[in-house]
Amino acid sequence: GESVGLHLPTLSVQEGDNSIINCAYSNSASDYFIWYKQESGKGPQFIIDIRSNMDKRQGQRVTVLLNKTVKHLSLQIAATQPGDSAVYFCAENRGDSWGKLQFGAGTQVVVTP
Amino acid sequence: GAVVSQHPSRVICKSGTSVKIECRSLDFQATTMFWYRQFPKQSLMLMATSNEGSKATYEQGVEKDKFLINHASLTLSTLTVTSAHPEDSSFYICSAITGGLDYGYTFGSGTRLTVV
Repeated sequence: GESVGLHLPTLSVQEGDNSIINCAYSNSASDYFIWYKQESGKGPQFIIDIRSNMDKRQGQRVTVLLNKTVKHLSLQIAATQPGDSAVYFCAENRGDSWGKLQFGAGTQVVVTP
Repeated sequence: GAVVSQHPSRVICKSGTSVKIECRSLDFQATTMFWYRQFPKQSLMLMATSNEGSKATYEQGVEKDKFLINHASLTLSTLTVTSAHPEDSSFYICSAITGGLDYGYTFGSGTRLTVV
C-alpha cells in the first residue's frame, strides 16, 4: 500500500506485505532528513536518516529514498510486522539553523494479521 | 547508544500552578537541547532551543515568560510551564544532539501534561 498526504492519513497493511510511507518536505535548503516512529504515549524513535548527497539508504528492513527534484522522501518497510504499527514522521533539518527539525504531519500505520 | 531521560512521564496539575519538566542526557554532554510540543493526532512542533549557559531561543508564537527554559549544565535542561491553563495540556518532548560517531538526535520519552 501507499500513503500520500500530510494530514495523518492511515495506512493499513497486511502482515508480511511491504509498506511505503511518503513525505513531501518544504525547504529546498534542507540537507538532512530523518524518519521516526512514534508509538502511543512515547517519544519519537529513530529509524533511519539520509543526507542530501544521497538518494537512497538502506537499513534493516527499511529503505529511505530521497528525491530532491520534487522534494519527496519515502520510507519503505519490508515484510511489515505487527510491531511496526505506529505513527511515522519524516523530519527535515531546517535550513536556517542546524539542529532544528521540522516534522511532517505523520502517517498512522496499522498492521493487520 | 545515547539516552535522553525525561521526567516526569505524566503530570496532572491544577490551573494556575507551575510544572517543571526535566530532560537529562545520561551518557553524553548536550550543549543544545530542543523542546517540542505535540497535541493529539498532530505532529511535533518545535517550541524552543535550549542552550547550555545562555538564554533559550524561542520559536515564533511561543511565550518565553510562560515556558521558562533553563539549561544550567551540560546534561540537564528544564522546561517550566508557568501558570498553567487547560490549553497547555499537551505532550512535551525534549531532544538532544549527540555528537561523535553517533551524531544525530535523541528524543526523550515525553511528558504528558494535563491541566485541570
